[in-house]
Amino acid sequence: ETGVTQTPRHLVMGMTNKKSLKCEQHLGHNAMYWYKQSAKKPLELMFVYNFKEQTENNSVPSRFSPECPNSSHLFLHLHTLQPEDSALYLCASSPYLGGEKDYTFGSGTRLTVV
Amino acid sequence: AQSVSQHNHHVILSEAASLELGCNYSYGGTVNLFWYVQYPGQHLQLLLKYFSGDPLVKGIKGFEAEFIKSKFSFNLRKPSVQWSDTAEYFCAVNARQAGTALIFGKGTTLSVSS
Repeated sequence: ETGVTQTPRHLVMGMTNKKSLKCEQHLGHNAMYWYKQSAKKPLELMFVYNFKEQTENNSVPSRFSPECPNSSHLFLHLHTLQPEDSALYLCASSPYLGGEKDYTFGSGTRLTVV
Repeated sequence: AQSVSQHNHHVILSEAASLELGCNYSYGGTVNLFWYVQYPGQHLQLLLKYFSGDPLVKGIKGFEAEFIKSKFSFNLRKPSVQWSDTAEYFCAVNARQAGTALIFGKGTTLSVSS
């Protein structure tokens, strides 16, 4: 384990379903991130939270809805997804936003939309 | 906004060959630079990073990278690769003063044959 735990590890959902991805860290970090990793594309930054406040939404469609109830937990709520949303969703955390501190990544949730 | 280009999509080497993976970034200000590695089935982990000082930085497992400011480059090198270096390698950048999240390149898949 990396210190950042993501659940579930795998998720298959239909286009009309609603599901949530969970990310948890107890590293004392104050910044948390969602990235999308698709084949042959860069890791795409989706959302950034700093001290529980969303600081960045990288033009992500509204069918993805993040939630950060506290500095240790981050959720990604999914509804009416499209097949092209199938990807590996990675959560990461860092002590604070910006700076030279590196990120701790979770193992990801492999999402398949059918 | 920052962006990162990794020119090599897939590199195939024999054991003991030397490795150099290219990374160029686009940003007018001061940056922090990172190389992450993702071994098959594992999470992203930090190889090395540069934020100030000596532009030649050394990381884990014999990897090093050189920051050349005039070329906006941060190429990754290893004098002699091993089969266990087979992985995907990602270059990443963030803007030092702006407090931004890491932006990643597309990644380079390295395959090392024994």
